[in-house]
Amino acid sequence: DVQLQESGPGLVKPSQTVSLTCTVTGISITTGNYRWSWIRQFPGNKLEWIGYIYYSGTITYNPSLTSRTTITRDTSKNQFFLEMNSLTAEDTATYYCARDGNYAWFVYWGQGTLVTVSA
Amino acid sequence: DIKMTQSPSSMYASLGERVTITCKASQDINSYLSWFQQKPGKSPKTLIYRANRLVDGVPSRFSGSGSGQDYSLTISSLEYEDMGIYYCLQYDEFPLTFGAGTKLELK
Repeated sequence: DVQLQESGPGLVKPSQTVSLTCTVTGISITTGNYRWSWIRQFPGNKLEWIGYIYYSGTITYNPSLTSRTTITRDTSKNQFFLEMNSLTAEDTATYYCARDGNYAWFVYWGQGTLVTVSA
Repeated sequence: DIKMTQSPSSMYASLGERVTITCKASQDINSYLSWFQQKPGKSPKTLIYRANRLVDGVPSRFSGSGSGQDYSLTISSLEYEDMGIYYCLQYDEFPLTFGAGTKLELK
């Protein structure tokens, strides 16, 4: 059974960088033509797609975030990561990792990790 | 970016009622549209993809329709467990973009 689990620091100061981890179990992140995504949900419920790393390692970003976002992976640990810099209060959100299904985007989701940007 | 305008933003409905939520894209998205359901404190769940195809395990009271710019999600007979927030997602073009959500509550 595919499972995703996010982890991160919870509270980050403005202008700093946050690093989040998505740990995947039940399938290797290097198989199956799947896309491993990051999505965030702001207070008030708006959803924003951040980007994904393909099983091959190719990365696609939301152009609005590409200048301060990096997605990477560690295949030996079956994890992928999100790093976002120059944080402001407007980056306060719940960050989800997700994977597509065979035909649909975002079929498998983690439970989300709240990132609060505050001094 | 493709803008997804979802309506209504919130609604109240009765058990057994037929409910329809709509999403209008700012351009033709070629039926590359999914619908999600989110319950409080939970991650979103995919209900429908490619505008009208039900994900395995989703009850048949859910259906999707539409083409071009205009799409809808219908619940044929509302059940209590259907309360939550519903989102559309277009995946015709990057960046992927979501509708703002429809909060469905019990009347």
